[in-house]
Amino acid sequence: EAGVAQSPRYKIIEKRQSVAFWCNPISGHATLYWYQQILGQGPKLLIQFQNNGVVDDSQLPKDRFSAERLKGVDSTLKIQPAKLEDSAVYLCASSPVQVNNSPLHFGNGTRLTVT
Amino acid sequence: AQSVTQLGSHVSVSEGALVLLRCNYSSSVPPYLFWYVQYPNQGLQLLLKYTTGATLVKGINGFEAEFKKSETSFHLTKPSAHMSDAAEYFCAVSVSNDYKLSFGAGTTVTVRA
Repeated sequence: EAGVAQSPRYKIIEKRQSVAFWCNPISGHATLYWYQQILGQGPKLLIQFQNNGVVDDSQLPKDRFSAERLKGVDSTLKIQPAKLEDSAVYLCASSPVQVNNSPLHFGNGTRLTVT
Repeated sequence: AQSVTQLGSHVSVSEGALVLLRCNYSSSVPPYLFWYVQYPNQGLQLLLKYTTGATLVKGINGFEAEFKKSETSFHLTKPSAHMSDAAEYFCAVSVSNDYKLSFGAGTTVTVRA
């Protein structure tokens, strides 16, 4: 099966600019996650979708971050305006719905550098 | 809320030597435990998981981990390190009916020839 696809792989922007990341999960996976991985740290959950509904966005900085999952398939994560501390790898992951503790399948991530 | 602590941010082993990565968890309910591996510029890949049943879990690439409830630990081992094992390893925990993974800070493994 095809894996989780993410684009772009790398992005460099200046602070206060905006940026968007795209994720296409594994076909049939209803649950989609966005994680932020700062250098030297473990991934931190930003937002979790079940189909096109938000399950958990408690860790998402909503003043600058937004995410959507239209039609319950692809997802976009946006940052506007970006800050230096947003420099990180943004990982998208998916898992099947209602399969208890099925492992997450991760994409290769988008490495964001904010200068 | 559940959490994970990985002891040691960096481990260096000789090729052929034992690999031991330590993970301790905190959870008020029975946990589900995972080890993921991340190679440079790639996403995370599942090594193994513990949900219920046998406490010694075998994973891919010769890795295994043992769930010890009394010690709240889930240490990862491999008897003989290979150069291809050089990567970053993450321990993670979730609980039933709340599939939200909480990751540790990670342990980077280097393998010396």
